[in-house]
This record gives sequence, structure tokens and C-alpha cells, in this order.
Amino acid sequence: KQEVTQIPAALSVPEGENLVLNCSFTDSAIYNLQWFRQDPGKGLTSLLLIQSSQREQTSGRLNASLDKSSGRSTLYIAASQPGDSATYLCAVGVKPSGTYKYIFGTGTRLKVLA
Amino acid sequence: EAGVTQFPSHSVIEKGQTVTLRCDPISGHDNLYWYRRVMGKEIKFLLHFVKESKQDESGMPNNRFLAERTGGTYSTLKVQPAELEDSGVYFCASSRRGVANSPLHFGNGTRLTVT
Repeated sequence: KQEVTQIPAALSVPEGENLVLNCSFTDSAIYNLQWFRQDPGKGLTSLLLIQSSQREQTSGRLNASLDKSSGRSTLYIAASQPGDSATYLCAVGVKPSGTYKYIFGTGTRLKVLA
Repeated sequence: EAGVTQFPSHSVIEKGQTVTLRCDPISGHDNLYWYRRVMGKEIKFLLHFVKESKQDESGMPNNRFLAERTGGTYSTLKVQPAELEDSGVYFCASSRRGVANSPLHFGNGTRLTVT
């Protein structure tokens, strides 16, 4: 059974700092991995989608890496800003029984202090 | 393009009552998913539609939950009768065909409180 873990559960950093969020999964048989951001009371916003054959994806100040064999992904945020404060979720795409679905981690709550 | 829309945003009902949640996916997205997050837990898969067909409903908690997607457009999720443990945030998401290569687009969720 696929399990997704995110560490740390919460993180508080001063503005301008570079930071890394971690996601680990127990079964390397994944189709892809997606990082999301969730603001309070809002839905999930897709940040980056990495296919299983890819090693990383970049979008602006965000860089996500994927090491399928070790069951890990990291989300790197450069030069953090107060507007980056949100909960960050990773989800792995799996197809356990003929249909595709995402398995989510519990998220990392990030607070960037001005 | 308009995003995934969910209605209502909040619902407070008493145990034993019925509630129907609605989701309008992004136009042209054949794949529609329902997910749920209960307090302190991770977001969990409930079911998956491709157009009007249920592809996977393995995540539905029990037979008090009924999802429909008539005509392959909007979807409803009915809880009847509601129990206290059904409280949580219900998310709908959609994607184009070829889900393995498409990002998932989420709505803002419906926060359900059963008292």
C-alpha cells in the first residue's frame, strides 16, 4: 500500500531564505508526482508536475526533484517571500487496479516571516 | 478558462439529514475526481469519473455516499443520512484525458459540518 510522508509538518523561516520541503513515498511504482499549494479556505493549486521519467521540473523560484528509486521528492523554494506562506502538499500518481488516482501526503505548513 | 467550481462552500447539517454537494469541472475535462479531507488527516480519494462513467469508487466510505455525473458534465455527491464522522472538506478535481500526463485542477472545496 502506497504511503506518502511529508517532513517537516510545519516550517517557519525568515523572508529571503532558500528552503527545501521533503516528500517520501513507499512504493516506487508511480506514474508521476505533483506538488500543490493550498491557501487557507481555498482549493489546491498545482505547482509542478513531474513525470516518472523526469528528474526535475522548474517554475520560477520553484524547483521540484524526483528520485523514484529512493522514493523521494523535494520542493526547493528560492528567496522565500511572505506570499509563499501556505500548506504545500505532494501527491503521487498511482494506478493500483486499472484506474489512476493520487495519493496525498499530509502537507507542510510553511510560514515566511517578513 | 473558468476553474473547477464547487457548491456550497460551507454546509452545516444535523446528523441524519441529507446533503448534496455539487461540482462543475473545467469545460472539456472528462476526468472528475472527488476527494475528502477529514480533520488532521491527509486528503483521500473517494471516486473517479470518466465522462459519466464511474471508473473507481473504491474510496467511498460506505453506501450512504452516492455520486453521480449525469451527461458527463457536473457531478453531485450525496450523503444520506449524514453521520458525525462525515464532517470534513470535500474536494472535487478535474483533468483532461490522459490523466497520467495532465495536472489535476482542484476546486475550493465544500466544508461539511455534521452536528
